[in-house]
Amino acid sequence: GAVVSQHPSWVICKSGTSVKIECRSLDFQATTMFWYRQFPKQSLMLMATSNEGSKATYEQGVEKDKFLINHASLTLSTLTVTSAHPEDSSFYICSASDGPEQFFGPGTRLTVL
Amino acid sequence: SQKIEQNSEALNIQEGKTATLTCNYTNYSPAYLQWYRQDPGRGPVFLLLIRENEKEKRKERLKVTFDTTLKQSLFHITASQPADSATYLCALAPNAGNMLTFGGGTRLMVKP
Repeated sequence: GAVVSQHPSWVICKSGTSVKIECRSLDFQATTMFWYRQFPKQSLMLMATSNEGSKATYEQGVEKDKFLINHASLTLSTLTVTSAHPEDSSFYICSASDGPEQFFGPGTRLTVL
Repeated sequence: SQKIEQNSEALNIQEGKTATLTCNYTNYSPAYLQWYRQDPGRGPVFLLLIRENEKEKRKERLKVTFDTTLKQSLFHITASQPADSATYLCALAPNAGNMLTFGGGTRLMVKP
């Protein structure tokens, strides 16, 4: 149980385009979903916390207009990187939770050319 | 400011030995502490959770201790196997909510 999927697993895009990443909890209803970013050889950095039906809470330094988060249901959250630039290239990971444990998706590798 | 420190140097051990990884924290009062395993290019996988009022937790070959006085958690893998080679992350959650703050992770290499 506690399976979280992400789609796509990797994406390459041109600078200035927008990219949408989906995060789904497959076998449980997640009251909260989290979005993280991880740069090479670094740990996970929380970007935002998302609760179903309400606005996401962004961490300091994360631009909410650039990283749009929609949490439309208890099993789906999306992260849209708008007007992506090369410095947005990273590994984006979501997690879903219905209690103290968090269950992570496999991650999405974003490369912006 | 809050700090969660894990040994950034890789830990190399021989197969069959016990691996011990350390997580120290400062300026933090976690309600619970979690350990995750992360393989290259993959998301973290939940291993164990220990609450602030618990001293020790076990799961198969894994054991976690939590000392809130020392502000330290130890993560042990007994009878280690090459398949245990990965990066292990500790993560803390505050008293309110379940937002996790991660340490930098320690890479474990188990040699056959």
